[in-house]
Amino acid sequence: NAGVTQTPKFQVLKTGQSMTLQCAQDMNHEYMSWYRQDPGMGLRLIHYSVGAGITDQGEVPNGYNVSRSTTEDFPLRLLSAAPSQTSVYFCASSYLRGQPQHFGDGTRLSIL
Amino acid sequence: AQSVTQLDSHVSVSEGTPVLLRCNYSSSYSPSLFWYVQHPNKGLQLLLKYTSAATLVKGINGFEAEFKKSETSFHLTKPSAHMSDAAEYFCVVRRDGNDMRFGAGTRLTVKP
Repeated sequence: NAGVTQTPKFQVLKTGQSMTLQCAQDMNHEYMSWYRQDPGMGLRLIHYSVGAGITDQGEVPNGYNVSRSTTEDFPLRLLSAAPSQTSVYFCASSYLRGQPQHFGDGTRLSIL
Repeated sequence: AQSVTQLDSHVSVSEGTPVLLRCNYSSSYSPSLFWYVQHPNKGLQLLLKYTSAATLVKGINGFEAEFKKSETSFHLTKPSAHMSDAAEYFCVVRRDGNDMRFGAGTRLTVKP
């Protein structure tokens, strides 16, 4: 089992560029979520999905879009990158709604 | 609104001595509480959870936590620290539905 796979692991962008962070899971979990981790702030929920075709906003959704066309994939899109979006991004999945169990190893994103 | 406060940003213990990581929560009703661990450059791993059953919760790797409503606390303990326990630990409260709020984290250092 691969678990939750995030790509890329590292990325540097310029302000205004767009990008998609990929997340895939092979456990047939319905619940998937995206978090950002900033120093001294723990993790904050960006968007989540309770199944294919269903997404909703979390605590800090501005500047990010998501879609869930399949159970396996949950990509996160930055439409116009800003320096404030420099962070480490984690994708998570679970069979239990609202309780992430399996996390990817993260994507470290720098916006210049 | 539910939130958590981790009382120590950094805890240092010697190998073989007890571990205590402190967490206080605020909630208008009986919350769901979790502890996660994050090893360097990795995603988070669920250690244990409290969901209004037994107040003493046992988790993986010898960790346990006790829910004390009168003190609004959910401290994480382990009788004997191991070098492999060195990591960042997060206390988390689940709000309604799918929103989880993370504490700022406690970095545990284990000295030989």
